[in-house]
Amino acid sequence: DAKTTQPTSMDCAEGRAANLPCNHSTISGNEYVYWYRQIHSQGPQYISHGLKNNETNEMASLIITEDRKSSTLILPHATLRDTAVYYCIVRLGGNQFYFGTGTSLTVIP
Amino acid sequence: ETGVTQTPRHLVMGMTNKKSLKCEQHLGHNAMYWYKQSAKKPLELMFVYNFKEQTENNSVPSRFSPECPNSSHLFLHLHTLQPEDSALYLCASSQSVGQGTYNSPLHFGNGTRLTVT
Repeated sequence: DAKTTQPTSMDCAEGRAANLPCNHSTISGNEYVYWYRQIHSQGPQYISHGLKNNETNEMASLIITEDRKSSTLILPHATLRDTAVYYCIVRLGGNQFYFGTGTSLTVIP
Repeated sequence: ETGVTQTPRHLVMGMTNKKSLKCEQHLGHNAMYWYKQSAKKPLELMFVYNFKEQTENNSVPSRFSPECPNSSHLFLHLHTLQPEDSALYLCASSQSVGQGTYNSPLHFGNGTRLTVT
């Protein structure tokens, strides 16, 4: 079973908020959710992570549901440079992380 | 500057060549990772080192040989590769889970784009 599921692709108009959902219904009580993005031919870039509380930084806001079975990454004002593949990942245990196929976000001018 | 530096950025090699990929991290982390990313596939974990000791080998063929001389450096030695090994090879580092930093995220380099001819 996949540890995380995300939509394959999404579009967002430039300047609007991009809301990227992720389901992680089998997450354990002490596992964090991590969000990364990958621009073509570069390494994944860390965005945010959280356990229970919502997290906000200069890049995005991370909203985690109370039951922790899903989360949403919000880019408040998407720009063309935010076009990338966004990954929601969880630890499999120890030092192993599960990367799914991610969501390909296209920001449209 | 990502804090994790990989060299070379691009590598083309024949199936009989021997080459090495290098990764260096300046973040004071204790764990280092090799991932493989093939076209349109999820990242695949290859190896994990924790305090210089290999803790994970994800059924990787022996033509890939990792080396971790210290917590800041990681190598991937390549020999007799196949064309299907062509991919983006990514190095990452993090604080080790065993040190009470259970929420430590991975930090990636920009990868080596490998083409096997």
